[in-house]
Amino acid sequence: DSGVTQTPKHLITATGQRVTLRCSPRSGDLSVYWYQQSLDQGLQFLIHYYNGEERAKGNILERFSAQQFPDLHSELNLSSLELGDSALYFCASSVAPLGGETQYFGPGTRLLVL
Amino acid sequence: ELKVEQNPLFLSMQEGKNYTIYCNYSTTSDRLYWYRQDPGKSLESLFVLLSNGAVKQEGRLMASLDTKARLSTLHITAAVHDLSATYFCAVDIDGGSQGNLIFGKGTKLSVKP
Repeated sequence: DSGVTQTPKHLITATGQRVTLRCSPRSGDLSVYWYQQSLDQGLQFLIHYYNGEERAKGNILERFSAQQFPDLHSELNLSSLELGDSALYFCASSVAPLGGETQYFGPGTRLLVL
Repeated sequence: ELKVEQNPLFLSMQEGKNYTIYCNYSTTSDRLYWYRQDPGKSLESLFVLLSNGAVKQEGRLMASLDTKARLSTLHITAAVHDLSATYFCAVDIDGGSQGNLIFGKGTKLSVKP
């Protein structure tokens, strides 16, 4: 158990809908990263928040957004869902966004868009 | 464009044998990460290599980093079935300043008796 929690574990929804994925980092970790894992794209970095502020963006679609709250939990919002958004979404946390820090991954949320 | 390439992508080995997984990357990063993923599970950190020439070992796994060649290796010694998993290497997109990782496609390792 990495100490990172994600909810829900599974999510089934329809095209065009909007969902919110939640992540609670390990105690003491200030950085939260979101990744998407799919068969065709592999593991892709989406976005990084540090202590409530957006730090960096990766291959995140405009339909997706995220935020980190004062209690450091983070939410990833996916809207206007398409079939291709079906994937495993991981969040990870680390103590600081310095590079060289171990990122601890949560169990993931498996999203299926029908 | 930053690329991280692993080979092989699939590896079937017999128990007791040795093998090496290679990870080449195209940026000038001096930080490299190895993760393990079991089927349907999350990613588990194995090693964080922080400098040229770094070598780390844990059990039957040993990882090394050559930043000049932009190459990391994950060596498996006397493989056992429990090592069957997918192994990913990753580098920092920003050369180590932010911790935003780009991953290779993974090497799916199957160890057979």
